[in-house]
Amino acid sequence: EVQLVESGGGLVQPGDSLRLSCAASGFTFSSYSMNWVRQAPGKGLEWVSYISSSSSTIYYADSVKGRFTISRDNAKNSLYLQMNSLRTEDTAVYYCAREGYYYDSRAYYYFDYWGQGTLVTVSS
Amino acid sequence: EIVLTQSPGTLSLSPGERATLSCRASQSVSSSFLAWYQQKPGQAPRLLIYGASSRATGIPDRFSGSGSGTDFTLTISRLEPEDFAVYYCQHYGSSPHYTFGQGTKLEIK
Repeated sequence: EVQLVESGGGLVQPGDSLRLSCAASGFTFSSYSMNWVRQAPGKGLEWVSYISSSSSTIYYADSVKGRFTISRDNAKNSLYLQMNSLRTEDTAVYYCAREGYYYDSRAYYYFDYWGQGTLVTVSS
Repeated sequence: EIVLTQSPGTLSLSPGERATLSCRASQSVSSSFLAWYQQKPGQAPRLLIYGASSRATGIPDRFSGSGSGTDFTLTISRLEPEDFAVYYCQHYGSSPHYTFGQGTKLEIK
């Protein structure tokens, strides 16, 4: 059974740093690209960051570029999000999500498994 | 940058009725990169549809997706009580790498 379990959330002050972790199990972690997605209280989903299976390709949303760093450790089946210079607008539930894929005559990409999320609250 | 606009913002229907949710892209996109998700309160999103029209594993056949170009639709043929939730469309692209619509809340009338 595929499982993604986030941890590391909490209450921090503006300007602080926090590191989120996502522990993966039930699949070959090193074969899949991974993502972080966040959801502010009462709001919609916002994609945050992407990392390819080998860490060779990384993308960020403009809203976090230069402040957040995504990484992974395939030996530990773990995904990370280092969040620096946190702002009140970063307050959200942060989900890790596996990028599923399917190929026939075309390529298909989607998020097929999600963790339960970890809440990050940035407040003074 | 592709923007996804979902409509309506809220849809009020009764169990047994048919629901039609819209997702419009700001420019033409490949249908293979369009997905739909369902999210219930306090839960993570769940993949319903990928490639605009392919149901994910375990998704009931009352859920169907269609569309191409800039206009995509999620249809729920006969609403069950457990279908009342928020629905998001998503696009896989280049920059940003992924985009979500703002969501449609499907509520019980």
